[in-house]
Amino acid sequence: EDQVTQSPEALRLQEGESSSLNCSYTVSGLRGLFWYRQDPGKGPEFLFTLYSAGEEKEKERLKATLTKKESFLHITAPKPEDSATYLCAVQVFYGGSQGNLIFGKGTKLSVKP
Amino acid sequence: GAGVSQTPSNKVTEKGKYVELRCDPISGHTALYWYRQSLGQGPEFLIYFQGTGAADDSGLPNDRFFAVRPEGSVSTLKIQRTERGDSAVYLCASRKTGVSTDTQYFGPGTRLTVL
Repeated sequence: EDQVTQSPEALRLQEGESSSLNCSYTVSGLRGLFWYRQDPGKGPEFLFTLYSAGEEKEKERLKATLTKKESFLHITAPKPEDSATYLCAVQVFYGGSQGNLIFGKGTKLSVKP
Repeated sequence: GAGVSQTPSNKVTEKGKYVELRCDPISGHTALYWYRQSLGQGPEFLIYFQGTGAADDSGLPNDRFFAVRPEGSVSTLKIQRTERGDSAVYLCASRKTGVSTDTQYFGPGTRLTVL
């Protein structure tokens, strides 16, 4: 069964304290791995897509990396506005499915000033 | 341009009632997905449309759930005989056609509460 596990469930950081969020996956065949940010009461907001092991993408204070078993979302010198739930999702090769995402439960990040 | 919109933003209903949730995708996006998100969980896939047809409805939990997209744009998720366990946020997402790994863009969701 295809699975996505995110850790930790919650993370509290001080402003400027860098850290990483983990997304480990067990899938039959990976088409793509997606990171989204979700603020309370809102829909997920797209951050990154990674397609192959070794790939890295950056956006402001965020950097996503991918290996054959997991992805990391590195947050450098976070600010309070980075506080949100970060969701990881995979897209797998299925015979009939056309791209639906399998999500982890998310990591709730709180950044204190 | 405008993003994915969903209406209503909140819906409170009584057990046993029928509800309809609407999704307006991004203009030009022919692929549309419905997901359901329970508290503290990630979104779970319900159904996928390519154009007017439901290409994959394997995520619908039972036959009380049904979705349509008659003109290949707006979609409606319909839930009959609602149960308290149906309470969740229902999310809609759309993407361009051509490459299935194209990004899915999500709407704000409809929070459904079944009393």
